Amino acid sequence: DTEVTQTPKHLVMGMTNKKSLKCEQHMGHRAMYWYKQKAKKPPELMFVYSYEKLSINESVPSRFSPECPNSSLLNLHLHALQPEDSALYLCASSSSGGKPLAKNIQYFGAGTRLSVL
Amino acid sequence: AQTVTQSQPEMSVQEAETVTLSCTYDTSENNYYLFWYKQPPSRQMILVIRQEAYKQQNATENRFSVNFQKAAKSFSLKISDSQLGDTAMYFCAFGAVVGAGGTSYGKLTFGQGTILTVHP
Repeated sequence: DTEVTQTPKHLVMGMTNKKSLKCEQHMGHRAMYWYKQKAKKPPELMFVYSYEKLSINESVPSRFSPECPNSSLLNLHLHALQPEDSALYLCASSSSGGKPLAKNIQYFGAGTRLSVL
Repeated sequence: AQTVTQSQPEMSVQEAETVTLSCTYDTSENNYYLFWYKQPPSRQMILVIRQEAYKQQNATENRFSVNFQKAAKSFSLKISDSQLGDTAMYFCAFGAVVGAGGTSYGKLTFGQGTILTVHP
């Protein structure tokens, strides 16, 4: 099973709402990633968790709050977003053990398409 | 820091023909990995092919092959016998391990992407 599951697939929210994106994998991966992707652009790394600890925060505004409650689950809590935050949010995971190649192969979910009104 | 450059924003090819997508990168790392990811209109990122920098032999996966020129820092993707399902945005990515020990992880740097359209 090489699947990363993201829910919901689509989300529309107002600027005053609070919502959460969820990502789940059962491959035993201990590194999990959040990316933001605008149309026809490459994914931009937001956060990296390694062994449930935040390892990278790429200067993301505080209105995005990541959480890794266990080794299989990654959440992204959203609050007071702006219209420019509308994008596809991708989750990925990779192995943290074994050979370096395995650590670099990231498996992506299908994404959550977020619209902020 | 690494940079990845894809100089072809858009390309098109006729079904059954061959097309080559270009990618160059810049790095001071010695140990790294290179990838091509495909993102069709469904937006799912799919790994197409990978290359370990220490291997001289070019990677192949069915109709997909790469031309890896380490000295020139070039990593192009050749798609043979193009199919309509190959229509997608293709991203070249550079990967390197960050951190040390058991908690290290891989970090990808993506190029700007090439939109490939396969025409019937």
